[in-house]
Amino acid sequence: GPKVLQIPSHQIIDMGQMVTLNCDPVSNHLYFYWYKQILGQQMEFLVNFYNGKVMEKSKLFKDQFSVERPDGSYFTLKIQPTALEDSAVYFCASSSTKNTLYFGAGTRLSVL
Amino acid sequence: GDSVTQTEGPVTVSESESLIINCTYSATSIAYPNLFWYVRYPGEGLQLLLKVITAGQKGSSRGFEATYNKETTSFHLQKASVQESDSAVYYCALGASNNNNAPRFGAGTKLSVKP
Repeated sequence: GPKVLQIPSHQIIDMGQMVTLNCDPVSNHLYFYWYKQILGQQMEFLVNFYNGKVMEKSKLFKDQFSVERPDGSYFTLKIQPTALEDSAVYFCASSSTKNTLYFGAGTRLSVL
Repeated sequence: GDSVTQTEGPVTVSESESLIINCTYSATSIAYPNLFWYVRYPGEGLQLLLKVITAGQKGSSRGFEATYNKETTSFHLQKASVQESDSAVYYCALGASNNNNAPRFGAGTKLSVKP
């Protein structure tokens, strides 16, 4: 079936630095999402993105977070600066209908 | 707000036994909720198992079934006879197709099927 790719699978970064998480969504999909899951906790919605704009964001989507999809390439989540509590697995998803989401395998972010 | 509560895992059953994973939802901002079960196999991303967008209907896939019950706000996942290959994490989710809100997921239930 359609695949969403997340690169890399694990990223380690020092607190205060910037990190960009990359997501290669399913081609022709128009809706894009990021979710965050801290180890042992629930997968929480962060943001969804459509037509170059943030459509909805949760309170977890702090000012230090930003998303973009320049020129139809990767859908990215940037965190600048990172904090210890940003350590989690970040899941990207894309959708053509808003109904069925296709997820990547996640990027584990470790902030030291 | 909108939320989903499901059976707390981990759940362990023996092969060929029956399974039920409970899911209840609260849809305060969604007039017509859509309900989903997603599954994540080890090392993979979540994938859709089944969905139901109309209250009273039943969805089914790979031997799993779930009925959208608006009266009890439930969407329990059932299977009559599980297999070892069903070992995975199952997520109940609540969404809507008539607004911009993204689906909300339950905490996930880890299922282990013993041979």
